[in-house]
Amino acid sequence: DAEITQSPRHKITETGRQVTLACHQTWNHNNMFWYRQDLGHGLRLIHYSYGVHDTNKGEVSDGYSVSRSNTEDLPLTLESAASSQTSVYFCASSESRVETGELFFGEGSRLTVL
Amino acid sequence: DQQVKQNSPSLSVQEGRISILNCDYTNSMFDYFLWYKKYPAEGPTFLISISSIKDKNEDGRFTVFLNKSAKHLSLHIVPSQPGDSAVYFCAATGTASKLTFGTGTRLQVTL
Repeated sequence: DAEITQSPRHKITETGRQVTLACHQTWNHNNMFWYRQDLGHGLRLIHYSYGVHDTNKGEVSDGYSVSRSNTEDLPLTLESAASSQTSVYFCASSESRVETGELFFGEGSRLTVL
Repeated sequence: DQQVKQNSPSLSVQEGRISILNCDYTNSMFDYFLWYKKYPAEGPTFLISISSIKDKNEDGRFTVFLNKSAKHLSLHIVPSQPGDSAVYFCAATGTASKLTFGTGTRLQVTL
């Protein structure tokens, strides 16, 4: 079965370190997204991509970067982790029609920055 | 600036009764609205959606109502079941193929 997987599921790191969260989908979807979930803020869009070599900033992109070198993967990098980036991160993918609910999420990556 | 708002962080309802979850939005360019459900330690999953050309969409126990003039939508669950206990996110989309989510409402269905 096609799926979307995130790794690691849990990570603890220190302030200032570089961290990369992996996202891999096997649906061959063009669109991929990274969200973070925080209490009181819900799900906020960090970065998104509509295809290979395309990346776009979301509403909370500062301190994060992504790259899209193939269809299947959209890794999220925290260049210099900060305590404010402690959160649960969700990757998602869709073909094109998010309007009909065809946006599929991974199980999340919980990141703690000490 | 929160474009999609869910003003009730939590809601408790007895099993068998109706659950009503509310959502407000500010961006008049949104033309499609969705509800997602999230269990702990899992990703959100799609529940139901509605286009701005409709005012109601029903799927089994779940009904979404849209009031465009008030920029308000609601999700009704009838009858509520213990398995419905989860966090519910309202989401909206416009011309770009991406979703803007609300802050979420935690629903607890009690026995």
